[in-house]
Amino acid sequence: GAVVSQHPSRVICKSGTSVKIECRSLDFQATTMFWYRQFPKKSLMLMATSNEGSKATYEQGVEKDKFLINHASLTLSTLTVTSAHPEDSSFYICSAKGLSGEQFFGPGTRLTVL
Amino acid sequence: DAKTTQPPSMDCAEGRAANLPCNHSTISGNEYVYWYRQIHSQGPQYIIHGLKNNETNEMASLIITEDRKSSTLILPHATLRDTAVYYCIVRVAGGNSGYALNFGKGTSLLVTP
Repeated sequence: GAVVSQHPSRVICKSGTSVKIECRSLDFQATTMFWYRQFPKKSLMLMATSNEGSKATYEQGVEKDKFLINHASLTLSTLTVTSAHPEDSSFYICSAKGLSGEQFFGPGTRLTVL
Repeated sequence: DAKTTQPPSMDCAEGRAANLPCNHSTISGNEYVYWYRQIHSQGPQYIIHGLKNNETNEMASLIITEDRKSSTLILPHATLRDTAVYYCIVRVAGGNSGYALNFGKGTSLLVTP
């Protein structure tokens, strides 16, 4: 099946710093990528939808200036958490949609903000 | 997308069949039933999907009732590695859908030795 990678797998940072998370589709071109956030013992919550070459669409309640998304190519999308705070600590997961329409998920990135 | 209802948790003995139910009484004619699972601290993994016929692959079987208002995911011989949260999702399939998958609370399956 199609493979989606995320980097880093886990990151610890100080409050106030920015963290960039990469999502790559390794063996297919992703027309659309999605970013989810998951808090402990909760389900995945969609944060934003990212289409290559255009601005991301954010879900209600997600600050676009805090969670910067760049989808510069058909195989790479990045999520930057700016001025991170402890409440931003979470498990961030991306998924990529190929031409068939099916979605494939990355392994997730564990962010801890001290 | 139609709403789904799943039991919050289930137990299953190793080697036995695990039968996970899902209700989707408001499903539309062009919506498929998808199953994903999420092992702790990993991304979701696709298991199987179907429209109205029963489906089987190397991971599981999907049984959809004739009225399509409910379905059951069957793991024929559960192993400890099948311990995970299982999500039943109803949505339009394929390239016509640009929408993300909406995850409910799922069923937490615990496979015991």
